[in-house]
Amino acid sequence: GAVVSQHPSWVICKSGTSVKIECRSLDFQATTMFWYRQFPKQSLMLMATSNEGSKATYEQGVEKDKFLINHASLTLSTLTVTSAHPEDSSFYICSARESGRAYNEQFFGPGTRLTVL
Amino acid sequence: EDQVTQSPEALRLQEGESSSLNCSYTVSGLRGLFWYRQDPGKGPEFLFTLYSAGEEKEKERLKATLTKKESFLHITAPKPEDSATYLCAVQEVGSNYKLTFGKGTLLTVNP
Repeated sequence: GAVVSQHPSWVICKSGTSVKIECRSLDFQATTMFWYRQFPKQSLMLMATSNEGSKATYEQGVEKDKFLINHASLTLSTLTVTSAHPEDSSFYICSARESGRAYNEQFFGPGTRLTVL
Repeated sequence: EDQVTQSPEALRLQEGESSSLNCSYTVSGLRGLFWYRQDPGKGPEFLFTLYSAGEEKEKERLKATLTKKESFLHITAPKPEDSATYLCAVQEVGSNYKLTFGKGTLLTVNP
């Protein structure tokens, strides 16, 4: 149980293009999903909190117009990196918290490696 | 000031050599402290959640403990397959369940 998938697992794109990353909770419903970014040999930095049916909450310093988040259902959240540039190259990881449960664990997806040329 | 500090940054052990990883935290109200394991190029794998001082949890060769200021992850008789980065994260009361991570401890277990 508590499986989270991400698609794609890796993507290479040209500078200026947009890339969409999907995060799905496969065997549970997730009211809240989180998007993190991880640079090489660094820890996870929270980018935004995604709530089903409402606007995402972005962390300080994260551009909401550049990193578009949509959480249209209880099992799917998407992150779109718009007008990507080489400095956006990173490992993007989502996590999901199961709705209605007493415990607070977040389960993570396998991550998406984005390379912007 | 970092809310979550992990030490050491890196640790090399021989197979069977037990040790502990440390996670110290400074938050006003702790909802939970989480330990994850992360292998290179993969997402973090959930290990434990601790909620209150004095709590302990075990899973195979791993045991996590919690005090009011820090948590320890004890590794007993480690095997090479325990090699990974171990991440500690805290969840603060009123934070909408978001996690704040430490920088991790890279554990290498040599055969």
